[in-house]
Amino acid sequence: EAGVTQFPSHSVIEKGQTVTLRCDPISGHDNLYWYRRVMGKEIKFLLHFVKESKQDESGMPNNRFLAERTGGTYSTLKVQPAELEDSGVYFCASSQEQYSDTQYFGPGTRLTVL
Amino acid sequence: LAKTTQPISMDSYEGQEVNITCSHNNIATNDYITWYQQFPSQGPRFIIQGYKTKVTNEVASLFIPADRKSSTLSLPRVSLSDTAVYYCLVGATNTGFQKLVFGTGTRLLVSP
Repeated sequence: EAGVTQFPSHSVIEKGQTVTLRCDPISGHDNLYWYRRVMGKEIKFLLHFVKESKQDESGMPNNRFLAERTGGTYSTLKVQPAELEDSGVYFCASSQEQYSDTQYFGPGTRLTVL
Repeated sequence: LAKTTQPISMDSYEGQEVNITCSHNNIATNDYITWYQQFPSQGPRFIIQGYKTKVTNEVASLFIPADRKSSTLSLPRVSLSDTAVYYCLVGATNTGFQKLVFGTGTRLLVSP
């Protein structure tokens, strides 16, 4: 069974540009999460989807970030316009149950904003 | 979610047993203790979870004393491939684990 996949693995963009990150969860997992680690800080929660609905987006830093999960399958996270402080690693995770202690993480997308 | 405290780093040699202790003084009655492992350039991976006493799986053992204010992750006979960051998380499985709260973790370096 394929794990959580993320695309791209790396992205380098200039300040002010737009970037879209994609996450494909494990098949059948209704719950999808986004996390990020910026500049040596701790991994922080961004948001949680249950199918196509946003269950919790309390961790989204500001309105430059837009997450979608149309159809309840893959998800995208768009940053527009990107700022220098957005640089970091963005992780996606999925789980089968909503209240699950086991989340399966993807390898992450490393975003560098110049 | 209860705050956790772990050593920033630990060093070990191949074949040794490694014990990583996590403090969680404010753990609540409904909270479980979960450990994740993260290899370089990968996302975190669940390794073990427990509520009290001892839990063992094919990867590690987790020891939790009666007061539950701390826990110890034990890795038997580590190898070079166990070099990773280990995170201790505390939360209630029926409410708190929808968003995992990661601390700084413990960076374990295993040398030959």
